[in-house]
Amino acid sequence: EVQLVESGGGLVQPGGSLRLSCAASGFSFSTSWMNWVRQAPGKGLEWVANIKEDGSEIYYVDSVKGRFTISRDNAKNSLSLQMDSLRAEDTAVYYCANWNYGWGQGTLVTVSS
Amino acid sequence: QAGLTQPPSVSKGLGQTATLTCTGDSNNIGLRGAAWLQQHQGHPPKLLSSRNNNRPSGISERFSASRSRNTASLTITGLQPEDEADYYCSAWDTRLSAWVFGGGTKLTV
Repeated sequence: EVQLVESGGGLVQPGGSLRLSCAASGFSFSTSWMNWVRQAPGKGLEWVANIKEDGSEIYYVDSVKGRFTISRDNAKNSLSLQMDSLRAEDTAVYYCANWNYGWGQGTLVTVSS
Repeated sequence: QAGLTQPPSVSKGLGQTATLTCTGDSNNIGLRGAAWLQQHQGHPPKLLSSRNNNRPSGISERFSASRSRNTASLTITGLQPEDEADYYCSAWDTRLSAWVFGGGTKLTV
C-alpha cells in the first residue's frame, strides 16, 4: 500500500521558518519524481516544487523561489521542504505528492502574528 | 502562472455518466496528457488517473481518463452519491517548467 505521511506543519510568525517532511513507503521512492503541492483555505490546488529521482533537477513555482528548498534522502525514503521567510500567503495545507502513486494527507502551515 | 481550464460545475443524476473536461495547450496537455484528482470536502485530494491514463491501485474502473489534442477528459460511469466532489486536472507545462492545475469542477450527483 502506498503511503505518504507529512509532518512538520504548525503556526509560525511572518518571516519565520518551518521544515516539512514526508515519509514514503509502498512504492519505489528512489525512482520517482516527488512534489509538494499546497492548498490555501477554501482555494484550489497550487504546485509548489518538485525534485527528480536523484535530485539533479529541481523546479519551483515563482512565488517561492529563493525562499523554499526541496530536498530528498533516498536512503530514508524521505522528502523535505525547507520554508524560510514565510509570508501570510504561504498559509495552506501542504501535500507530498507523486503523480503516479498518490498523495499524502497533508500538513497545515499557518503564517500569522 | 497560467492554468488549465475546467468548467466550474457539472450536475448529473444517479446512474448517469459524467464527462469532465480540462483544456490546456500544446505545452502541457497536448504533450503529455493530464492527471486527475478527486477531493471530497474536508479531505485530501485522491489521485484518480496519472498522465498516461493509468488508475492507481484501488481506483474504480468507473473512472476513465482520455485525451484529445489539448483537451483531457475524465469520464465517470454509473454515478453514485459518493462521486459528488471536486475534481481537478493537472499537467506538466514544459514552457513554464511547472505543474499547472485547473480551477476544479464541482460535480453534483
